Amino acid sequence: EAGVAQSPRYKIIEKRQSVAFWCNPISGHATLYWYQQILGQGPKLLIQFQNNGVVDDSQLPKDRFSAERLKGVDSTLKIQPAKLEDSAVYLCASSSQGGLYSNQPQHFGDGTRLSIL
Amino acid sequence: GENVEQHPSTLSVQEGDSAVIKCTYSDSASNYFPWYKQELGKGPQLIIDIRSNVGEKKDQRIAVTLNKTAKHFSLHITETQPEDSAVYFCAAKSSGDKLTFGTGTRLAVRP
Repeated sequence: EAGVAQSPRYKIIEKRQSVAFWCNPISGHATLYWYQQILGQGPKLLIQFQNNGVVDDSQLPKDRFSAERLKGVDSTLKIQPAKLEDSAVYLCASSSQGGLYSNQPQHFGDGTRLSIL
Repeated sequence: GENVEQHPSTLSVQEGDSAVIKCTYSDSASNYFPWYKQELGKGPQLIIDIRSNVGEKKDQRIAVTLNKTAKHFSLHITETQPEDSAVYFCAAKSSGDKLTFGTGTRLAVRP
């Protein structure tokens, strides 16, 4: 089966500009996650969707970050305005089922590497 | 919230030797523990996972052990090969369906 697709692979912008990332999960996967991975660290969850509803966005900096998953399939993550500390790899993952007891594995895309100048 | 600590941060082994990476977690309600391998420029790839009702799981050269009482779990790679060189992350899933990752272990396998 096709994996999680993300684009673009790389993005360079200046601080205070805006940027958007796109994710297409594995076909049929109801749960979609966006993670931020800063160099030398493990991924950190930003937001989780179950179908087109938000399950957890407690760690999303809502003053500058936004995400949507219209129609419960593709998702976009936006940053506006970007700050220097937003330089990171933004990873999208999907799983077939979410929930406390589902324990379905999360499958990751290759991410978008964002550099802020 | 959950806190996952991972050791060592770097590990260098001779080809053919074994490698062990250890993680501890803080939330006793955590019930799912995956391990991911991340190569340069790639996303994390799931290599093995274990659920809280199992103490050990093995898949060819890779095995994971879980000690719920002590709240720690370990990854064991036997007969290491150069292609095992990568960064390895442990993770724990606690209440709320959230995965918390460790800080990673950079494994280098010397030919």
